[in-house]
Amino acid sequence: AQSVAQPEDQVNVAEGNPLTVKCTYSVSGNPYLFWYVQYPNRGLQFLLKYITGDNLVKGSYGFEAEFNKSQTSFHLKKPSALVSDSALYFCAVRGNGQAGTALIFGKGTTLSVSS
Amino acid sequence: DADVTQTPRNRITKTGKRIMLECSQTKGHDRMYWYRQDPGLGLRLIYYSFDVKDINKGEISDGYSVSRQAQAKFSLSLESAIPNQTALYFCATESGTGSTEAFFGQGTRLTVV
Repeated sequence: AQSVAQPEDQVNVAEGNPLTVKCTYSVSGNPYLFWYVQYPNRGLQFLLKYITGDNLVKGSYGFEAEFNKSQTSFHLKKPSALVSDSALYFCAVRGNGQAGTALIFGKGTTLSVSS
Repeated sequence: DADVTQTPRNRITKTGKRIMLECSQTKGHDRMYWYRQDPGLGLRLIYYSFDVKDINKGEISDGYSVSRQAQAKFSLSLESAIPNQTALYFCATESGTGSTEAFFGQGTRLTVV
């Protein structure tokens, strides 16, 4: 069965500092990996994805993520955090690289950026 | 207009009542999902459908049922609501390739008293 883990419930970082939100996954075969963000009282918004190709993917709002197959990880990063980045972040995975499996989400990580 | 619309946005209902949450989409996507969000538990999959004639249980389907009335419509029913079904419910859609992003509705906040 496929699964995704976000080991940190909360990440705190000062504005201007780099941030990392961690994600590890377990699937059979090649994964499709996604990051979503949720602002208060809103639905989830897509940030970026890894399907194939370059291990470093870039997405919205200056975020990027690095796919590491040997460590089964897909950590979200940003070189310089903004207070407005404060939100709930979800990692999601679809396993087997197949279209026929459901999208599974982690428990989420709350990012808090202080000024 | 939103690509994925959920109705109602908020609902308070009593224990034992039947309630239906509705989702409609204008993306033309084949795949639709229902998730519930609880603090500390993230998004958990209730049911999903990959086309009109396809219904699949997710990890927490007990106490819920769904209907895929058309490509654009996917409803979630609680046959006899109980307080631990109090949660934020999200509908999502995605294309049939599996490699594109999902689109989410704004959510339905359900309270069972």
